[in-house]
Amino acid sequence: DAGVIQSPRHEVTEMGQEVTLRCKPISGHDYLFWYRQTMMRGLELLIYFNNNVPIDDSGMPEDRFSAKMPNASFSTLKIQPSEPRDSAVYFCASSLRIRPQHFGDGTRLSIL
Amino acid sequence: AQTVTQSQPEMSVQEAETVTLSCTYDTSESDYYLFWYKQPPSRQMILVIRQEAYKQQNATENRFSVNFQKAAKSFSLKISDSQLGDAAMYFCAYRSANSGYALNFGKGTSLLVTP
Repeated sequence: DAGVIQSPRHEVTEMGQEVTLRCKPISGHDYLFWYRQTMMRGLELLIYFNNNVPIDDSGMPEDRFSAKMPNASFSTLKIQPSEPRDSAVYFCASSLRIRPQHFGDGTRLSIL
Repeated sequence: AQTVTQSQPEMSVQEAETVTLSCTYDTSESDYYLFWYKQPPSRQMILVIRQEAYKQQNATENRFSVNFQKAAKSFSLKISDSQLGDAAMYFCAYRSANSGYALNFGKGTSLLVTP
């Protein structure tokens, strides 16, 4: 059974460019989460969806960040324009109701 | 908001020995879940063990066990018979059972296993 799939695995881009991170959750899961991991702040929630509807986006740092979930099998996290301080590892995770979350392998984002 | 504290940034253990990683949390809720995740250098987040707050019995998974002290809000992880493959970052995490299902993570403990 396929796990959570994230792409790309690595992304290097210049400041000011648009960045799109992608996530395919495990089939049948009804919750999808986006987390960011940095040395300074650790792992923090950005946003999560339930049945494709955003429930809590209080962790989204600013308007440059947006996330969508157009259907149950796909979600995107966009940063526009990107800044060097956005450099981090971004994780997507999914779960079925209250069951444990399964994480993707993460996207390492470097903004130059 | 719930906070999770891991007071040991780094720990070291010899192969075959036992090590305990500490975690405390702050919450006003009575129903919640606690987790330990392992993150090796490959950066995968791997679920090690979970504990439901309503269960008094401590969870165990092979060489991994927890000491859950609900009144003290403490949730430590014990790794027995440590192996080189146990070397990783270990994160303690809290999840509400009622209000939002996102994970609140501690800052992590880096575990070094020496031969």
